[in-house]
Amino acid sequence: AQSVTQLDSQVPVFEEAPVELRCNYSSSVSVYLFWYVQYPNQGLQLLLKYLSGSTLVKGINGFEAEFNKSQTSFHLRKPSVHISDTAEYFCAVSGAETSGSRLTFGEGTQLTVNP
Amino acid sequence: DVKVTQSSRYLVKRTGEKVFLECVQDMDHENMFWYRQDPGLGLRLIYFSYDVKMKEKGDIPEGYSVSREKKERFSLILESASTNQTSMYLCASKLDRENYGYTFGSGTRLTVV
Repeated sequence: AQSVTQLDSQVPVFEEAPVELRCNYSSSVSVYLFWYVQYPNQGLQLLLKYLSGSTLVKGINGFEAEFNKSQTSFHLRKPSVHISDTAEYFCAVSGAETSGSRLTFGEGTQLTVNP
Repeated sequence: DVKVTQSSRYLVKRTGEKVFLECVQDMDHENMFWYRQDPGLGLRLIYFSYDVKMKEKGDIPEGYSVSREKKERFSLILESASTNQTSMYLCASKLDRENYGYTFGSGTRLTVV
């Protein structure tokens, strides 16, 4: 079984500042890792995913995340945020090689970008 | 594109009612999932199904049941709705062999009064 912990429930930042949203996971098998974003009153949108290969993953809207196997982390970063990045962000993990695996989510991080 | 369609965007039901939430996907996915989303708790898995007529309990199955009579349709059933089941419900699907290609519906916001 896998589990995910998002270390910050709320992250307030000013516009154009850099941001990091932290995510740690645990698993006894190899994993796929995901970041989803949910804008107010909208559904989930996939930001990026790590399947294999390069540990630095680039996603949509200028976000990127780095897979660190030794620290079991998958932190999300953006060098300069916009007001429109205000949303809730979810980290998630799925077993890589298990047939019928399930997606397990963290508790979510509310990112609020202030002018 | 794969589409996962949830029949209702908003639903208001009374305590004690039997409630059906419907989810349909159009890409022949074997696996389907029901999550509920609550503030501060993220998305928690209620039930999932590997294939037709198969179902597995997730992390919070109490008070819910599911039905998968056809491959494309996965129904979540609240046998007797209670106010603590007021939540956002999200359906998802994927191919059994691809543990990275999850597709989510837009969600159903259920209010039990």
